[in-house]
Amino acid sequence: EAGVTQSPRYAVLQEGQAVSFWCDPISGHDTLYWYQQPRDQGPQLLVYFRDEAVIDNSQLPSDRFSAVRPKGTNSTLKIQSAKQGDTATYLCASSGGFQNTLYFGAGTRLSVL
Amino acid sequence: GQQVQQSPASLVLQEGENAELQCNFSSTATQLQWFYQSPGGSLVSLLSNPSGTKHTGRLTSTTVTKERRSSLHISSSQTTDSGTYLCAISNMGYKLTFGTGTSLLVDP
Repeated sequence: EAGVTQSPRYAVLQEGQAVSFWCDPISGHDTLYWYQQPRDQGPQLLVYFRDEAVIDNSQLPSDRFSAVRPKGTNSTLKIQSAKQGDTATYLCASSGGFQNTLYFGAGTRLSVL
Repeated sequence: GQQVQQSPASLVLQEGENAELQCNFSSTATQLQWFYQSPGGSLVSLLSNPSGTKHTGRLTSTTVTKERRSSLHISSSQTTDSGTYLCAISNMGYKLTFGTGTSLLVDP
């Protein structure tokens, strides 16, 4: 069974540029999460979906970040105008239902110069 | 909101020694998971232990729910155990809150 797939693995931007991250969860998993992990910190939840619906995006900086999961499968996280403070690893995870184990992708390491 | 504190922040062991990692959390948790993150790698769930004691391989987790704490014991450490160990909790929901982790280095 394939795991959670993320792309790209790395991204380097200048401030003000846009970037999109893509996530393909484990087949059949209805819940998908995006986490931001700054260096030397634990992951912090940005947004999560159940199927195509956003359940919680309260920690997503809505002025510059957006996330979609249009068919309840793959998901895209976009940063419209990156800032140096966005430098972090962006992790996607999926799970198969309430209280089930989360499975994480390898992450996208973003550097904003 | 929920807060998760882990200690120690870092730990250096000689191969074969045991490790004891601590996790304290600020509010009720119905779910508690321990994760392993290899240097530059993704997170892997080690075990889920919201209460009591669980064993898997060389790992033992003990969670005392009333005292809002959990521990992860690694016996007979190996160099391949080096990495970051993260504790995460949630309360009746999907949203996991992570601690900042314990960085473990096992020297040969």
